[in-house]
Amino acid sequence: GQQLNQSPQSMFIQEGEDVSMNCTSSSIFNTWLWYKQDPGEGPVLLIALYKAGELTSNGRLTAQFGITRKDSFLNISASIPSDVGIYFCALAGANSKLTFGKGITLSVRP
Amino acid sequence: DAGITQSPRYKITETGRQVTLMCHQTWSHSYMFWYRQDLGHGLRLIYYSAAADITDKGEVPDGYVVSRSKTENFPLTLESATRSQTSVYFCASSVGDRAGVNIQYFGAGTRLSVL
Repeated sequence: GQQLNQSPQSMFIQEGEDVSMNCTSSSIFNTWLWYKQDPGEGPVLLIALYKAGELTSNGRLTAQFGITRKDSFLNISASIPSDVGIYFCALAGANSKLTFGKGITLSVRP
Repeated sequence: DAGITQSPRYKITETGRQVTLMCHQTWSHSYMFWYRQDLGHGLRLIYYSAAADITDKGEVPDGYVVSRSKTENFPLTLESATRSQTSVYFCASSVGDRAGVNIQYFGAGTRLSVL
C-alpha cells in the first residue's frame, strides 16, 4: 500500500522558534492534507494542497506541495504553547479514504 | 449540537466481553470511517462506509463489526474484546470540498481499555 513517511517522530522547540516538518510518499498523488491533533482530541484539518508547487498559509502555518508531487512541507512560525500536538500529513485516495503518516509530536518549551 | 460525536469518551471492559462504540454525525455526510490510534502506528483504518447499508473493510478489520442502518450513525462493535484492542478509537465523516477532495472531520475519540 501507499507509504507516507514523517520524521522525526518527535520534535522539541523553544517558544518563539520556527519549525519545519515534511512528509514524503512513495507515489505521486494530487492532494496533500495536513491535520493537527490536540492532546485528548481528534485530528483537525489545518491545510489542504491541490497542486504541485502550491504554497498555502493559514495564520502562522504555511504548507507547500512539492514540485515532484511526492512530498509536502509544513512550517510553523513563531511557535506558541498551543502549537503542541501531533501533526499528520495525509493523502487522499479512492473511496474518500485517506492515508495518514504516523505523525510528528511537537513539544514547545515556554 | 451539530457535528460528529462519539460515545462513550472512556470505556473499560474485560477480555471476552462485547462492547459497542457509538458515532453520530449531524451533517448528513455520506462517508463515515472508524480508525484506531496506537503509539508508533498513527491512525489505522478499521472500517468505512460509503452510505447507509454499505460498509467495507479497512486496513485492520479483524475482531470488529460495523453496521450502518441510518446515514447519521455508524457504530463499531468489538464482539469479543482482546487486550490488543486497547486503543483510542476515532470516528470520522467526510464531504467533498471545492476541488472534489473528501475532507474528513473527526470526533473527539473513545479511549478503550481491555483488561
